[in-house]
Formats: sequence, C-alpha cells, structure tokens
Amino acid sequence: AQSVTQLGSHVSVSEGALVLLRCNYSSSVPPYLFWYVQYPNQGLQLLLKYTSAATLVKGINGFEAEFKKSETSFHLTKPSAHMSDAAEYFCAVSLNTGFQKLVFGTGTRLLVSP
Amino acid sequence: GAVVSQHPSRVICKSGTSVKIECRSLDFQATTMFWYRQFPKQSLMLMATSNEGSKATYEQGVEKDKFLINHASLTLSTLTVTSAHPEDSSFYICSARGVRGAQAEAFFGQGTRLTVV
Repeated sequence: AQSVTQLGSHVSVSEGALVLLRCNYSSSVPPYLFWYVQYPNQGLQLLLKYTSAATLVKGINGFEAEFKKSETSFHLTKPSAHMSDAAEYFCAVSLNTGFQKLVFGTGTRLLVSP
Repeated sequence: GAVVSQHPSRVICKSGTSVKIECRSLDFQATTMFWYRQFPKQSLMLMATSNEGSKATYEQGVEKDKFLINHASLTLSTLTVTSAHPEDSSFYICSARGVRGAQAEAFFGQGTRLTVV
C-alpha cells in the first residue's frame, strides 16, 4: 500500500529565507504525487502535482517540487518565504491517474517570522 | 479554482444524536465527491467515495451504517454521523470532482470540526 511521510510537523523560517518541506513516499508502482496548502478556515488548495512527466514541477505562488525516484522523495521548496505562505501543507500520493483515493501525510505547519 | 462549500464549519452535539454535514459545489457540477476524516496530528483518511445517483463506496473499516452518505444531486453531498459518540469527534472534510473525467482536479471544502460530548 502507498503511504506518505512528512518530516517535521512544524517548520519555521524567516521572511525571505528558503522554504523546504520534506515528503517521502512509499509506493509499489509509479505514483502520482501532490502538494496541497490549507490556510486557516479554508479548504485544501492544490499547489502542484507530479504525474510522471517532468520531474521538476512548478506550482502556484512560487513553489516547486522535485520528484526523486532514487530517494522516494517529493520535497516542496520556495526560494524566498513570504508572510502569506504561513499555512499547513499536505503531501499526498495516489496510484490513480486522477484525484481519487489520495493518501495524505500528516501535514507540516509553516511558520514565517518577519 | 472552483469553490466547494462545507457546512457547518463547527458542530458540537450530544452523544447519541445524529449530525448532518453538507458539501456543496458552488460553481460546477460534481459527479464524484470524497469524504475524508482527520484525527489530531494524523493524516486525512479517505472514508468513502460517492458518485451522483449511486451508493457510496466505503473504505475498509468505515461503518456504512454509521456514516451515511447521500449524493442526490450534482451539487450536494451529505454525510450523516448517526448515533454519534465521543470517539467520532474529528475533522471531516469533503472534496468534489467535476464532470471532466478522472484527470479533473478535486476541490476541497473547508472542513467540519465535530465534537461529540
């Protein structure tokens, strides 16, 4: 069965610093991988997805993630954090071509200080 | 992106009562809706998948008689937690997918925090 591990329930960065949120997956077949963001009192919003095309995926709000099969990782990065990036981030994996049966990680809360 | 509205955002109920949570797609027709549950500090876990006009498909370990799902229209799905108990206290979140096929993105509601006392 597929699973996702997000290292670090909380990550703190200063405004302007690099953001790195870690995600490792376990899957017996090539996975589809997703990053979602959740702002307070809002639903999950898709940041980006990997569906076996380019290994470096660019998403919204300046985020990107790189699929590394050898490391079974799909870490999320952003070169320069902004205060508005403070939110909860979820990594998810799916074996399907679509958005069915997503398996989520436990989430990482990103804190951005001035 | 498309908007999915979930109501209520928070609900407190007494043990033994039933609670209904609504999930509406506001600007698109949702052929498929998904219901997730999240315990504190744990992942979102898929509970069931429902297609409009059909019975929901429940994941292993989810009691279908306890978590009643209705998807009677292309814009509304409801989850009813029957005879709720304190262990049912959790965060419930729905997502909806439109008619454009399996590759179509699923959009999430803002979730419902259920507390059973």
